[in-house]
Amino acid sequence: DIQMTQSPSSLSASVGDRVTFTCRASQGVNNYLAWFQQKPGKAPKSLIYAASSLQSGVPSRFSGSGSGTDFTLNISSLQPEDFATYYCQQYNSYPLTFGGGTKVEIK
Amino acid sequence: QVQLVESGGGVVQPGRSLRLSCAASGFTFSSYGMHWVRQAPGKGLEWVAVISYDGNNKYYADSVKGRFTISRDNSKNTLFLQMTSLRTDDTAVYYCAKPRRVAAAGSRSFDYWGQGTLVTVSS
Repeated sequence: DIQMTQSPSSLSASVGDRVTFTCRASQGVNNYLAWFQQKPGKAPKSLIYAASSLQSGVPSRFSGSGSGTDFTLNISSLQPEDFATYYCQQYNSYPLTFGGGTKVEIK
Repeated sequence: QVQLVESGGGVVQPGRSLRLSCAASGFTFSSYGMHWVRQAPGKGLEWVAVISYDGNNKYYADSVKGRFTISRDNSKNTLFLQMTSLRTDDTAVYYCAKPRRVAAAGSRSFDYWGQGTLVTVSS
């Protein structure tokens, strides 16, 4: 199975900050990497697929990059509604696997 | 618009069974493979199972293989998850998820999720 490791597990940031999360796969996943946002008590919401493609309706302050084993999610200017937990997921092969998440908290 | 509505969750004793349903609308259900993903309380996401558009191919996570069965009824636009021999570590919110594409890698990438249904396994 492909293991997905996210760092950091949590971070504190202020509105307007630029924030970067990382996700590392235990083996190459090509660009078959997705990012999701989840708020407490809600279902995950798709943000990014194919490592860098923005899901329709997602604000352009979100961007993704990477290929192979190392990926990043960037938020260019953190907004109040962005405080949530972010998960990466590889879909290169079954079983599909998720990272442990990065929780973004208000500083 | 795409809607996925799960139901069937509840409290069940260890060793018992439960069947979850996911009613789909807003897209051509019979063209898409469908997935179940779960999330234990306070934990991360875990992929559970996938079924092909016609029901002929199924894959499972090792943690549920032999105990859970995924199925579908395309005439009713409904996805199912039959769970047997339930264990306390099956306690989770169970989500059904629609893939982005009908085939290739896009069939393993999710664009819509249901709201989830909570399964609690406890004596």
